[in-house]
Amino acid sequence: DSGVTQTPKHLITATGQRVTLRCSPRSGDLSVYWYQQSLDQGLQFLIQYYNGEERAKGNILERFSAQQFPDLHSELNLSSLELGDSALYFCASSVTGSTNEKLFFGSGTQLSVL
Amino acid sequence: DAKTTQPPSMDCAEGRAANLPCNHSTISGNEYVYWYRQIHSQGPQYIIHGLKNNETNEMASLIITEDRKSSTLILPHATLRDTAVYYCIVRVTNDYKLSFGAGTTVTVRA
Repeated sequence: DSGVTQTPKHLITATGQRVTLRCSPRSGDLSVYWYQQSLDQGLQFLIQYYNGEERAKGNILERFSAQQFPDLHSELNLSSLELGDSALYFCASSVTGSTNEKLFFGSGTQLSVL
Repeated sequence: DAKTTQPPSMDCAEGRAANLPCNHSTISGNEYVYWYRQIHSQGPQYIIHGLKNNETNEMASLIITEDRKSSTLILPHATLRDTAVYYCIVRVTNDYKLSFGAGTTVTVRA
């Protein structure tokens, strides 16, 4: 158990809908990362937050947004869903997000868009 | 992140040491080498990381060449549960992203 909690574990929805994925980091970790893993793209970095502020951005679509709340949990919002958004979404956390820290990953949310 | 090159796949016999190579010829002096693994559809798991010295922990050993252009992850006694995709990542200083490549699919056979 990494200590990172992601909910829900599975999500099935329809095209055009909006969903919210939730992540609770390990106790004491201030930085949260979001990744998308689809079969043909591998693990893709989406976005990183540190103590409520966006710190780094990857190839995150404009239809996707995220935020980190004062209690340090984070949410990833996916809107106008398309079939291609079906993927595993992982959250990870680290203490400060610096480049010499290890990341701890959650078990992921499996999103299926039908 | 600096580019790394790993073999796409390798097999290993259960109980034997597994040696996973990684080339990172463009690495800079203050960039760390990280290894993570992902067991089928689970979240990636940190294994080990190092800067220039060899490192060992309860999971594995990391051997970094003196010129730092390559490294080897050693799983001392591979078990069936070590079957996974192993990612070698060079983390660029002040680049807060952690980017994963294709990794090496390691299959441990009985």
